[in-house]
Amino acid sequence: EAGVTQSPRYAVLQEGQAVSFWCDPISGHDTLYWYQQPRDQGPQLLVYFRDEAVIDNSQLPSDRFSAVRPKGTNSTLKIQSAKQGDTATYLCASSFYWGGSNTGQLYFGEGSKLTVL
Amino acid sequence: GDSVIQMQGQVTLSENDFLFINCTYSTTGYPTLFWYVQYSGEGPQLLLQVTTANNKGSSRGFEATYDKGTTSFHLQKTSVQEIDSAVYYCAMRGFGSSGNKLIFGIGTLLSVKP
Repeated sequence: EAGVTQSPRYAVLQEGQAVSFWCDPISGHDTLYWYQQPRDQGPQLLVYFRDEAVIDNSQLPSDRFSAVRPKGTNSTLKIQSAKQGDTATYLCASSFYWGGSNTGQLYFGEGSKLTVL
Repeated sequence: GDSVIQMQGQVTLSENDFLFINCTYSTTGYPTLFWYVQYSGEGPQLLLQVTTANNKGSSRGFEATYDKGTTSFHLQKTSVQEIDSAVYYCAMRGFGSSGNKLIFGIGTLLSVKP
């Protein structure tokens, strides 16, 4: 079974440039997450979807970051006018909707490492 | 708000040493807690979870103890190996409207010398 696929693996930008990251979740997973992982820190949730609906985007810097999942499968995270502070690895993860279960298993991709100069 | 705190940023051990990583959490109620492991160049992956306060979980020789009295969640292994070198994150599942997302600690980098 294919895992979570992300692209590109690496991106280097000058401040002010834009970048898009793409994620293909595990087939059948209805919930998709984008996490930001600065160097030497834990993953921090930016946004997550159930199917095509945004469930929580409270930590997404709305002025420059946007995320979509139009058909409830693949997803794109876009950063407009990147800043040096955006330097981080962007992780995509997927799962079945947890609902009332006790699980907390996320399946992560390898990440997209962004460097903003 | 909900939070998870890992104090140990880096731990260096020799093979067959004992590993102990401490994690504390802050939330209402008794959450489900997890340890994730991240190997170099990969995304995090679930190592183990403990769903009931004062219970233990185990996987691949690692054991986690969940102490609701001290709101702590420890990871330990009796005898580490070089292949265990990785970053270990404790994580907590939120409640209510936050019940479908995980909050991660900052991670503990474990380096095991042969």
